[in-house]
Amino acid sequence: AQSVTQPDIHITVSEGASLELRCNYSYGATPYLFWYVQSPGQGLQLLLKYFSGDTLVQGIKGFEAEFKRSQSSFNLRKPSVHWSDAAEYFCAVPMEYGNKLVFGAGTILRVKS
Amino acid sequence: GAGVSQTPSNKVTEKGKYVELRCDPISGHTALYWYRQSLGQGPEFLIYFQGTGAADDSGLPNDRFFAVRPEGSVSTLKIQRTERGDSAVYLCASSKLAGTDTQYFGPGTRLTVL
Repeated sequence: AQSVTQPDIHITVSEGASLELRCNYSYGATPYLFWYVQSPGQGLQLLLKYFSGDTLVQGIKGFEAEFKRSQSSFNLRKPSVHWSDAAEYFCAVPMEYGNKLVFGAGTILRVKS
Repeated sequence: GAGVSQTPSNKVTEKGKYVELRCDPISGHTALYWYRQSLGQGPEFLIYFQGTGAADDSGLPNDRFFAVRPEGSVSTLKIQRTERGDSAVYLCASSKLAGTDTQYFGPGTRLTVL
């Protein structure tokens, strides 16, 4: 069955530092992959998605993610983190024709000044 | 345009009571999804509608949970005989089409069962 693992529950980075959030997936075929962000009290906002083609995907707010089939990974990156990036980040993969998403447990990002 | 809206934003109820949670999807979106997010976890799928019909309700935890979408737009999630374990944030999402089309999420309803 499809599954998503986000190994890091919490990550703290300094403002201006680079960021990488890890996501590993289990999926039978070429997956569709999503990253969502959730700020306190807010709904989930789509950062970026991978469907096919170029394995490096650009998203909103300066985020990017790279699909690596050999490692079953879809890590999220940002070259320079801003204090406003503090939030919880979720990786997700669709299950069974994409009619429902399976989410990882999330990574809480804290940004220190 | 307007995004997905959910009402109420917060609901506090007593154990054993009945609650209804409402979702208003993005206009024109045919697919609607309900998820439940417990503290410290990612959202978990509950039910998916394509139009008026529940195409997949495999995530509903038991028969106390039920959802409807009578006119293919607004959906209501209904929970009977609430239990403390039902306390969570209930998220609604919609997408233009079913399948892998992007799902857009509402802000959620935080349900607290005392």
